[in-house]
Amino acid sequence: KQEVTQIPAALSVPEGENLVLNCSFTDSAIYNLQWFRQDPGKGLTSLLLIQSSQREQTSGRLNASLDKSSGRSTLYIAASQPGDSATYLCAGKSGAGSYQLTFGKGTKLSVIP
Amino acid sequence: GAGVSQSPSNKVTEKGKDVELRCDPISGHTALYWYRQSLGQGLEFLIYFQGNSAPDKSGLPSDRFSAERTGGSVSTLTIQRTQQEDSAVYLCASSAQTGSYIDEQYFGPGTRLTVT
Repeated sequence: KQEVTQIPAALSVPEGENLVLNCSFTDSAIYNLQWFRQDPGKGLTSLLLIQSSQREQTSGRLNASLDKSSGRSTLYIAASQPGDSATYLCAGKSGAGSYQLTFGKGTKLSVIP
Repeated sequence: GAGVSQSPSNKVTEKGKDVELRCDPISGHTALYWYRQSLGQGLEFLIYFQGNSAPDKSGLPSDRFSAERTGGSVSTLTIQRTQQEDSAVYLCASSAQTGSYIDEQYFGPGTRLTVT
């Protein structure tokens, strides 16, 4: 059974700093990994999806990497802004026949102006 | 285009009452998922629909929970005889296909259920 862990649970950084959010998973037979953003009281916004055959994906100031052998994914945010403050969730999909996402509990990011 | 929509956005109900939560997926998406996010917990999978296939109900926590999907589009999650531990945000997601590397799930805004 896939288990996904995100550490730390909360992170506070000054505006303009580059930062990395970590996600680890137990089943290396991961099919894809998706990073989401959740604002308070809102649903999830998909940020990036990395296929198992890929090592990274980029969108604007965001870069996500996937290392199946070590069971890790990272989300890199460049030049952080107060608007980046939110909870970031990673979720893995294991196996071609699987369809549900297994979520970590998230990292709550606060970017201080 | 329109994203996944859910209604109501908030629902307060008394313990023991039944509730219905609605999800309208992205047009053309054949796969639909329900998840639950409880305070202090991660998101947990509840149920999955794919086309006309029988749904996977393996994540439903008890037989008080049921869901249906009519016409391969709109889905309703029903909770009977609600309990306080049912209080959570119920999230619906849809995707264009499954078993694919590019099967990205898109989430709705959720329904916040409070059982008093």
